Amino acid sequence: GAGVSQSPSNKVTEKGKDVELRCDPISGHTALYWYRQSLGQGLEFLIYFQGNSAPDKSGLPSDRFSAERTGGSVSTLTIQRTQQEDSAVYLCASSLVSSTDTQYFGPGTRLTVL
Amino acid sequence: EDQVTQSPEALRLQEGESSSLNCSYTVSGLRGLFWYRQDPGKGPEFLFTLYSAGEEKEKERLKATLTKKESFLHITAPKPEDSATYLCAVQGVYNFNKFYFGSGTKLNVKP
Repeated sequence: GAGVSQSPSNKVTEKGKDVELRCDPISGHTALYWYRQSLGQGLEFLIYFQGNSAPDKSGLPSDRFSAERTGGSVSTLTIQRTQQEDSAVYLCASSLVSSTDTQYFGPGTRLTVL
Repeated sequence: EDQVTQSPEALRLQEGESSSLNCSYTVSGLRGLFWYRQDPGKGPEFLFTLYSAGEEKEKERLKATLTKKESFLHITAPKPEDSATYLCAVQGVYNFNKFYFGSGTKLNVKP
């Protein structure tokens, strides 16, 4: 079966522009996570969705970051007014029911802000 | 604050040379400790979950162990295809929707 997919795989943008990153979880998975991985750093938790709701938004670095999930499936991470420090790989993961289940990761979106 | 530290940052081994990777953690009540493998340009791939001190899990040449303060990933007689970055993460019982990752150990196995 298909795994977690993310698009685009690479995104280059200019400072100050908005970007949208997309995640398609494994079909039937109700839990979805977004992480950020900066060069040489570990994964930084951003947000967790259970269905369409996000009980934990504590990891979003600033109010320029937002995320939504529709239909219990596709999720979009939006970064407004991008800054150079936003450059990183953004990873999405999904798990079957909840945070107690194994997470399966997508390949990531590499964001470069010039 | 919950925290994970992995060492060494990088490890070079000859094929067949066994070694161990370390993951030290501080968490207010451990629900689970996770090991992942990450290849360049790919997302992390799940390896093991450990829940309590003394627990061990094995998969091929890999064996993960857990104590109250750290976990080890033992690699026995590694092969070049084991070359990857190995990530450790913890999940606490008081906020189990959040996972704390270490920065990883980059393993390079030379033939």
